[in-house]
Amino acid sequence: NAGVTQTPKFRILKIGQSMTLQCTQDMNHNYMYWYRQDPGMGLKLIYYSVGAGITDKGEVPNGYNVSRSTTEDFPLRLELAAPSQTSVYFCASTLAGSGPYEQYFGPGTRLTVT
Amino acid sequence: QKEVEQNSGPLSVPEGAIASLNCTYSDRGSQSFFWYRQYSGKSPELIMSIYSNGDKEDGRFTAQLNKASQYVSLLIRDSQPSDSATYLCAVNIGGYNKLIFGAGTRLAVHP
Repeated sequence: NAGVTQTPKFRILKIGQSMTLQCTQDMNHNYMYWYRQDPGMGLKLIYYSVGAGITDKGEVPNGYNVSRSTTEDFPLRLELAAPSQTSVYFCASTLAGSGPYEQYFGPGTRLTVT
Repeated sequence: QKEVEQNSGPLSVPEGAIASLNCTYSDRGSQSFFWYRQYSGKSPELIMSIYSNGDKEDGRFTAQLNKASQYVSLLIRDSQPSDSATYLCAVNIGGYNKLIFGAGTRLAVHP
């Protein structure tokens, strides 16, 4: 089991560019999440999904889009990148109903927008 | 707005001492509480979860919950240099296991 994998590990974007952060889990988890973590801060929820085809906004969704076509994959799309999106992005997943509802995190993607 | 507050630290303790980390939360309806450890440059990993008032012990770690005071704490006994990390308090804010995280407390254990 690889758990939750994320690609790329690092990326530098120019202002206005777009990119997709990839997230895949092989644990057959139905719930998946995207967080961002700014330096010295906790994690902020961007979007989440409770199953294929079902997504919803978290605390800080502006500037991002998501899709969930399969149980395994939950990509995060940045359109028109801005310096304020410089952050570390974590994808997480959990199996609803399994308790204690631990969220398993991927290794993160460090994004810099200049 | 629902919030989770933590002292940012750093909290510095000598090796072998007890480290005490505190967290308060604003949503009285929260039912599940978590402590994650995050080493520098790494992803968070769960070390404790607690759902009922009182204490929950797991090895050197004890989580304490007081829902009336909206307060969660984590005690680390016999602290080791390897415990040096940032500890994130997370609170469930309703359906779909959504979590709100505090900003974290940085713990430094010195030999």
